Order: sequence, then structure tokens, then C-alpha cells
Amino acid sequence: GAVVSQHPSRVICKSGTSVKIECRSLDFQATTMFWYRQFPKQSLMLMATSNEGSKATYEQGVEKDKFLINHASLTLSTLTVTSAHPEDSSFYICSATSGDAGNQPQHFGDGTRLSIL
Amino acid sequence: AQSVTQPDIHITVSEGASLELRCNYSYGATPYLFWYVQSPGQGLQLLLKYFSGDTLVQGIKGFEAEFKRSQSSFNLRKPSVHWSDAAEYFCAVGSGTYKYIFGTGTRLKVLA
Repeated sequence: GAVVSQHPSRVICKSGTSVKIECRSLDFQATTMFWYRQFPKQSLMLMATSNEGSKATYEQGVEKDKFLINHASLTLSTLTVTSAHPEDSSFYICSATSGDAGNQPQHFGDGTRLSIL
Repeated sequence: AQSVTQPDIHITVSEGASLELRCNYSYGATPYLFWYVQSPGQGLQLLLKYFSGDTLVQGIKGFEAEFKRSQSSFNLRKPSVHWSDAAEYFCAVGSGTYKYIFGTGTRLKVLA
């Protein structure tokens, strides 16, 4: 149980392109989803927290207009990297939790490797 | 400030040897504690979690961890390491807002 699917697993595209990444909870309803960015050989950096039906909460330093997050249902959140540039190349990982009081673990997708040429 | 420290960036052990990965945290209240494992190019898999109760928790793949409040630690252990355990291990502290604070990770190498 508690499976999170992330798609696509890898994207290579030209500079200036917008890229959408999907995160789905397959067997549970995700009250909260998270988007992380991970640089090579580093830990995960939280970008934003999203709750179904409401605006995402972005961490300090994360550009809201660059990284658009939509959490339209209890099983789907999307991250759109708008007008992507080479510096946006990274490994993006989503996670989801069904917790009520922060006492449920986050379940992670397999990540998306984004490469901007 | 809340923080998680994994003092060992790299650890190398021989297959069959015991393993202990260290995790220390700084948190103002009773923490929710987690260990995750990440294989190259993949997401994170939950190994085990501690919320309350018994301070020795059992996880998947033969891992266990012990919560020691007096030492602010939550070390991960395995009595006999397998080559497939080679990966990156992350300790995390959870808060009431669901956010995690991750440690910087420990990369485990297993020698045949």
C-alpha cells in the first residue's frame, strides 16, 4: 500500500520550454503533497507544500511563477516548470501523506530527472 | 532551530558485517522520526518510523532503529548487511505541519 506514482521519470527539453510533472497517490487519498528538488549527492530541498483545493505554500527562495503547483484532487498534484532554463535541471521528487496531525509518513514517488538543454 | 545531523557522509562495510548509521536531531517537542533509503536515480522508500511508544522500532529489510531522547538520537542498525543495501540513507524529523527536516544523508557502500 501507499504507492505514489510520478511521471515522467525523465525529461529532456530545450531551454524556454514548460514542463509538467505529475504526482499521483494510487491507493490512498493524499491530503497533502510535497515537491522536493534534489541536487547531485545532496539532500532533498523542500520546494512547496500543497493541499487539495488550495494554493500551494512555497518555501522561501522558491519562485512561485517559475514552479507552478496544482493540487486539483486528493490523488493528483502537478508541478509545472515554466520557461525552463539549464539551471532548472535537477531531480524533482514528490511525496504524499494522508495524515491528519502530521503523524503519517510521507510516501515518495520515484522522481523525475529534468534536463534542460 | 530544528535540525537533523547525519555525521557520516560515507560508510563502507563488508557484506555480512553489522551496520549502524547515526542520526542526531534538534527539535523542540517530541519528534516524529523516520529513516528512508534512496537507490540511485530513484525516490525514497520508508524503512521505519517512530511516533511514540516502544523506543526500538523494527522496519523493513531487517532494519531497526532506537530512539534515545536523552541523546537526541535515532540511529539505524542492521545486524548483517547485504550487498543490495548499498544506497543513500536519510534520517528525517517530522513536524505537526507535516514538513520534514532531512539530514544530509549517508552513502553506504558494501564490499563483497
